[in-house]
Amino acid sequence: QVHLQESGPGLVKPSQTLALTCNVSGDSINSGSYYWTWIRQPAGKGLEWIGRMYSSGSTYYNPSLLSRVTISASLTKNQFSLKLTSVTAADTAVYYCARASTQFYYGYDVWGQGTTVTVSS
Amino acid sequence: SYVLTQAPSVSVAPGKTATISCGGDNIGTKNVHWYQQKPGQVPLLVIYYDAERPSGIPERFSGSNSGNMATLTISRVEAGDEADYYCQVWDSSDDPVVFGGGTKLTVL
Repeated sequence: QVHLQESGPGLVKPSQTLALTCNVSGDSINSGSYYWTWIRQPAGKGLEWIGRMYSSGSTYYNPSLLSRVTISASLTKNQFSLKLTSVTAADTAVYYCARASTQFYYGYDVWGQGTTVTVSS
Repeated sequence: SYVLTQAPSVSVAPGKTATISCGGDNIGTKNVHWYQQKPGQVPLLVIYYDAERPSGIPERFSGSNSGNMATLTISRVEAGDEADYYCQVWDSSDDPVVFGGGTKLTVL
């Protein structure tokens, strides 16, 4: 069974870079037709898609975050990462990593537990 | 960019049927997925590909999609169904993923 686990600092200062990692266990991020994704949710608000990385390594980002976001992978560690630059208080949210698979027509069938990131000085 | 519109809230009595809608331009031509998120929990995929249920999701949950509206229907609503429900579409590898704003289902 695939398990995702986010990790990273819970507090980031304004204008700095938010960096999170999603550790994948139970499957290889390089296998199958999966999209490895970051999604965030500000407190009391809805889900916002940040971006995705295909198992081949290609990426696609939310146009509203395009200039600040990078998703990358470490095949040796079976992890994928999120970097969001120039953060502001508006980036405060619970950040989830998730997997979309062909089995579910690219619905997100596996989610990490989420990690809370607060942007504050 | 593509927009999905959901009503902020829906209320239903136990045992009745809840209907949660998701509006979008020609959404009937897209694959729609639905997620349930209970307070403090991770979103759970309850319907994928418009009307398919993942293993473990009760048959009380069903979906449909046509024209400009996709619908999640929960029959014989239980107190445990109280949650936020989000619709989501993703057209192709060249498109961003879009979530609806979410609907809070209250069981009276």
